[in-house]
Amino acid sequence: AAGVIQSPRHLIKEKRETATLKCYPIPRHDTVYWYQQGPGQDPQFLISFYEKMQSDKGSIPDRFSAQQFSDYHSELNMSSLELGDSALYFCASSLSDYSYEQYFGPGTRLTVT
Amino acid sequence: QKEVEQNSGPLSVPEGAIASLNCTYSDRVSQSFFWYRQYSGKSPELIMSIYSNGDKEDGRFTAQLNKASQYVSLLIRDSQPSDSATYLCAVSGGGADGLTFGKGTHLIIQP
Repeated sequence: AAGVIQSPRHLIKEKRETATLKCYPIPRHDTVYWYQQGPGQDPQFLISFYEKMQSDKGSIPDRFSAQQFSDYHSELNMSSLELGDSALYFCASSLSDYSYEQYFGPGTRLTVT
Repeated sequence: QKEVEQNSGPLSVPEGAIASLNCTYSDRVSQSFFWYRQYSGKSPELIMSIYSNGDKEDGRFTAQLNKASQYVSLLIRDSQPSDSATYLCAVSGGGADGLTFGKGTHLIIQP
């Protein structure tokens, strides 16, 4: 079965640079979510989109922004990167049915040096 | 502030035995409850979802929900070494809300 696709899988950036992470949801899924997981931490919810509209907002820094496009893929834009932004970034997708079960992609490992 | 509490473990269980994982949550309006399995360096994998009080069984896994006690549990029967992983309890308000995760329980199945 098709899964969530994230690109790139690994990204190395320097402090104060910008980064863009991409997420392609499971076919027919219309809702996407972004999570950040630091070393030894649980995933922290950042933001979600349904039908290109922001649906819920978590602990997303003001330096980060995200959007969902007409083909349902999503991009997370990160600016003025800090060392503390080094983490695994997961995208998840779900159907807007009764369950909203979230299926996670493989993640993008971001390293800020 | 939503909180989800889990015993971090490690929880060590002999192969073939039943592993019992527990989770409590603070937000009474939570509607959806999930268990994810995560291997080191990998993404969370959905194991079970549960939305109403009672038990839900799927193969070797049984999820239990008690909204009055704000308690969710996961039972793994006939534990296998491949079940060794971190198990994350997650809670949401329903719909397209983000998940609030517990810090996870590290489960070790001893051959």
